[in-house]
Order: sequence, then structure tokens, then C-alpha cells
Amino acid sequence: GENVEQHPSTLSVQEGDSAVIKCTYSDSASNYFPWYKQELGKGPQLIIDIRSNVGEKKDQRIAVTLNKTAKHFSLHITETQPEDSAVYFCAASDTQAGTALIFGKGTTLSVSS
Amino acid sequence: EAGVAQSPRYKIIEKRQSVAFWCNPISGHATLYWYQQILGQGPKLLIQFQNNGVVDDSQLPKDRFSAERLKGVDSTLKIQPAKLEDSAVYLCASSPRGPSGAYGYTFGSGTRLTVV
Repeated sequence: GENVEQHPSTLSVQEGDSAVIKCTYSDSASNYFPWYKQELGKGPQLIIDIRSNVGEKKDQRIAVTLNKTAKHFSLHITETQPEDSAVYFCAASDTQAGTALIFGKGTTLSVSS
Repeated sequence: EAGVAQSPRYKIIEKRQSVAFWCNPISGHATLYWYQQILGQGPKLLIQFQNNGVVDDSQLPKDRFSAERLKGVDSTLKIQPAKLEDSAVYLCASSPRGPSGAYGYTFGSGTRLTVV
């Protein structure tokens, strides 16, 4: 089955800096890669996603890149703000087979002002 | 659009007791998921429903966990008897399905279970 590895487990940056979180997946059939943000006491919230027919997607300060050959994808947050502090999860699934999302272990991002 | 509703928000029980969690997904979402999130880890799938049928329950500890989704809408997850290692947040999520439709999951706020 699918296995998703996520690095780093913790990341501390200064306000205004960029943050990058990386994930690798094992199943070449996976074709959908979302990123979720989880704040304390809340459920994960979808912030951006990418499908395997696209190499990069951007939404304001957030971007995701996908390298299908290497089986890895990354989340890039530019101009970080204190409200970006949260736990971020990457995930992967095979939508053709209808499999559920498999999540990484998460990255705790701390943005200090 | 109303979100995914879960109850209760918190539950404390003694080991060997039973507990049940309830989830009401977003209206019209055909697929419903239960995930277990142990502190400091990512969500782990327990069971996936498509309408009222089970798609994947391979990770569900069936000797103590059970789940049902009546009429393809609400769902309940039960643990009986509970063990200390079941202490976690139980998350319910739903998503629309379709050949080219969106696959983003919407999660509820979860139920935090503490087994003492």
C-alpha cells in the first residue's frame, strides 16, 4: 500500500521568511496530492492540492510542486506570517482506484514575529 | 454550506468500557471516512464508506471497533471494549465523488477520546 514520508517534523522561521515542507510517496499509481493545515483543537483543513497531470500550482503565498519521476512533492509558503503557525500534513491517494488519503506524520511550523 | 458535524467533542472513559462517536457529513457527500489521529501523528484511516457500503475497512481493528452508516448519511463509530492505546482524536471526513469531480475532504473537528 501507499506510504507517505514527510520532512521536517518541525520547522521554525522568522516572519517574512519562506518555509518548505517535503513529502515522498511510494505508490506510483497515486495521482492526487493535497496539503492540509491543522490548528489546535480543529480538524485538518485543505489549503491546496495538486493532481499528477500538473507540475506546479500556486495560490497567493502558497505553492505546491510535484515531481512524479522522483515521487516527491513540496509545499512552499512565502512571506510567512504568525497565523501560518500550525501543523501541516501532506497526503496522497489514487483517485482511479478510489483509495482514501494516506497522510504523512505532519510538520509543526512555528513563525515568530 | 454546513460543515461536518461530530459529537461528542470530548469523552473520557475507563478501559474496557464502550464508547460511540457520531458524524453527520456535508449534505450530498457520498463518501465518508473515519480517521484515528494519535497525538503527534498524522490521521490514519479506519474505514471508508461509499454511500452506505464499506469500501475499505482493512485498518479497522474489528475485534473491538465497529462502524455503520445508515441510509448513506450519518455514521457512528463504536469501540468496545476500549484499551488505553485507543486514546486519540477520531476524525470524520466526507467528500463528493465523481470521475472528474473534486476530491478534497472536509473534516469535522473530531472527538478527543481519553481512555484511563
